[in-house]
Amino acid sequence: EAAVTQSPRSKVAVTGGKVTLSCHQTNNHDYMYWYRQDTGHGLRLIHYSYVADSTEKGDIPDGYKASRPSQENFSLILELASLSQTAVYFCASSVLGDYAEQFFGPGTRLTVL
Amino acid sequence: GEQVEQLPSILRVQEGSSASINCSYEDSASNYFPWYKQEPGENPKLIIDIRSNMERKQIQELIVLLDKKAKRFSLHITDTQPGDSAMYFCAASGAGNTGKLIFGLGTTLQVQP
Repeated sequence: EAAVTQSPRSKVAVTGGKVTLSCHQTNNHDYMYWYRQDTGHGLRLIHYSYVADSTEKGDIPDGYKASRPSQENFSLILELASLSQTAVYFCASSVLGDYAEQFFGPGTRLTVL
Repeated sequence: GEQVEQLPSILRVQEGSSASINCSYEDSASNYFPWYKQEPGENPKLIIDIRSNMERKQIQELIVLLDKKAKRFSLHITDTQPGDSAMYFCAASGAGNTGKLIFGLGTTLQVQP
C-alpha cells in the first residue's frame, strides 16, 4: 500500500540545536508538504515542494528550511531549534493538480527544551 | 494570509443525533473543499470533499454543502455514532494550482452515548 512515512516519530531537542525531520513517500506523488500542528492552531503549512530540488515557502516558513533531494524524500530542517517550535509535524503528499487529496504521514512529535 | 474559519471548536451531541460543522473561506478562487478526520494520536485522513461545481455531496452518513456565493461550506454527520468522535478539519484550496490547502482550526466532536 502506498504510504507516507516519517522519522523520527518523536524527538527531544535542545534549544539552539539542529533538528532534521525526514519524510519518505511511496505514492509516486509530485507534491509534498510539511505542516505543523499546535493545539488551537490546526494545521499550518511550513514548506512545500512540487518537484525534486525545489521547495516553496508556505504560510509559516520562518525558522525552517526544507530540502527535496528526490521525488520520494522531503526533509524539514530546524537550524536553531527554539522552544516555540515544539509541536507535532506532519508530512503529506499529493498528485499534481486541483482536487488532489493529501495523504498524511503519521507525524513527528518534537519537543524542544 | 488567506484564512478558513471553522466553527464550533467543540461540539457535543447525543448518539443518533446529527452534527454540523461550518466553515467559511476568503478566496473566491478556491475550488476544492476537503474535510479531514483526525483520531487522537493519528494523522488526518480525508473523509469527504466537494468541488466548486457542486452544491451538495453525500457519502453514507456524511453530507457536505457548498454555498459559493456566501463562501461557506459545511459538514453534516447524520445518525452520529461513538466512532464519529474525533477532530474534524475543513480546508479550502489556495490560490493558483499549487495544491496548497488552507485548514480551519478544527472541531472536536464528542458523541455521547
